[in-house]
Amino acid sequence: DAKTTQPPSMDCAEGRAANLPCNHSTISGNEYVYWYRQIHSQGPQYIIHGLKNNETNEMASLIITEDRKSSTLILPHATLRDTAVYYCIVSRRSYNTDKLIFGTGTRLQVFP
Amino acid sequence: EAQVTQNPRYLITVTGKKLTVTCSQNMNHEYMSWYRQDPGLGLRQIYYSMNVEVTDKGDVPEGYKVSRKEKRNFPLILESPSPNQTSLYFCASRTGASQPQHFGDGTRLSIL
Repeated sequence: DAKTTQPPSMDCAEGRAANLPCNHSTISGNEYVYWYRQIHSQGPQYIIHGLKNNETNEMASLIITEDRKSSTLILPHATLRDTAVYYCIVSRRSYNTDKLIFGTGTRLQVFP
Repeated sequence: EAQVTQNPRYLITVTGKKLTVTCSQNMNHEYMSWYRQDPGLGLRQIYYSMNVEVTDKGDVPEGYKVSRKEKRNFPLILESPSPNQTSLYFCASRTGASQPQHFGDGTRLSIL
């Protein structure tokens, strides 16, 4: 599975959009991009995932570049409750393995 | 309510005393995994299972065993726990190869 690179930390003002980047330059054609977040030591929470098209759900938007080598998670109106560690993961769709590799993520601090 | 349930949530025990952490999901998911999380290292996959009686090693399987006798349950067994297995453990499940994982609330193990 491709490796991802994320900044270790970011700040965002409450009410503003939080844009979290992820680099996955070695991604292959059948690999999906997933985003999770972890608040304190709770279980990671799924946010969104995509293959090559941009995706949006009630939590966030995922923008994947045309060459698929990077992506951005957008939280459109960050709140204090969005303070968490955000993980970008790349994983191929395979019926022979369920390996997921988490990196160290981006610690997002939302301030008032 | 759809969920992944781990027990116990907290455990302090001593070196060499066998222990089992249970994991159960009520979503009829095919895939299940165990992760451990240590400071500065993110989440690392221990074992995963793609179906009943099918299990495979993740990235850090040493010192652990798993079994998948029923679809809903995926216990993690530490036959002879050691202090370096002190960690926060998460169980996760998902329905298919490209679907997101659902995580339990975690089990904090301390091995003295």
